[in-house]
Amino acid sequence: RKEVEQDPGPFNVPEGATVAFNCTYSNSASQSFFWYRQDCRKEPKLLMSVYSSGNEDGRFTAQLNRASQYISLLIRDSKLSDSATYLCVVKVGTGRRALTFGSGTRLQVQP
Amino acid sequence: DAGVIQSPRHEVTEMGQEVTLRCKPISGHNSLFWYRQTMMRGLELLIYFNNNVPIDDSGMPEDRFSAKMPNASFSTLKIQPSEPRDSAVYFCASSLNVGGVQPQHFGDGTRLSIL
Repeated sequence: RKEVEQDPGPFNVPEGATVAFNCTYSNSASQSFFWYRQDCRKEPKLLMSVYSSGNEDGRFTAQLNRASQYISLLIRDSKLSDSATYLCVVKVGTGRRALTFGSGTRLQVQP
Repeated sequence: DAGVIQSPRHEVTEMGQEVTLRCKPISGHNSLFWYRQTMMRGLELLIYFNNNVPIDDSGMPEDRFSAKMPNASFSTLKIQPSEPRDSAVYFCASSLNVGGVQPQHFGDGTRLSIL
């Protein structure tokens, strides 16, 4: 089983729609969680961290469910510019282990 | 602000040749990561350094791959001899690891094609 699993998509949604992605992680010792965004043929960039109580940044809301070991990303009022691949990222423990990236969920927002 | 700088941006070479990828992390960052990304396998961590010391190289596929970080501002990833299955985008990333988890900043990547 992969450490971090995501539905690869693509999710095809019209502009203005609300879309949500989930990501599951296998290691219960995971401590830190992030969403990264990667545009086609570009490098991944941090979108937002995910906090235990959930957090919001504009149209983006991230949530963590430790009991079920998943995190989610909700995008409201989606824009054409939101089209990208969204990578779920997990860090196990608080030591020097590196981040583990999911394979990503591809979002295509259509006019 | 200068981000993570990788070179070359593109490399096309014949199998059996030695390939050297280079990375300059963001000044002041003390952690450096090498990743490989393919359609089939996604983004895979190959190796990471903390304060120029390799911490985890369990992702390095085989002995043909080696990485060095001779100082805080430079790292190389070498493949010798290269094979067609090494074709991928190779990313270098850096972060400032001071106890909390800091975001990783990625370079533009090197697109490697082995013929």
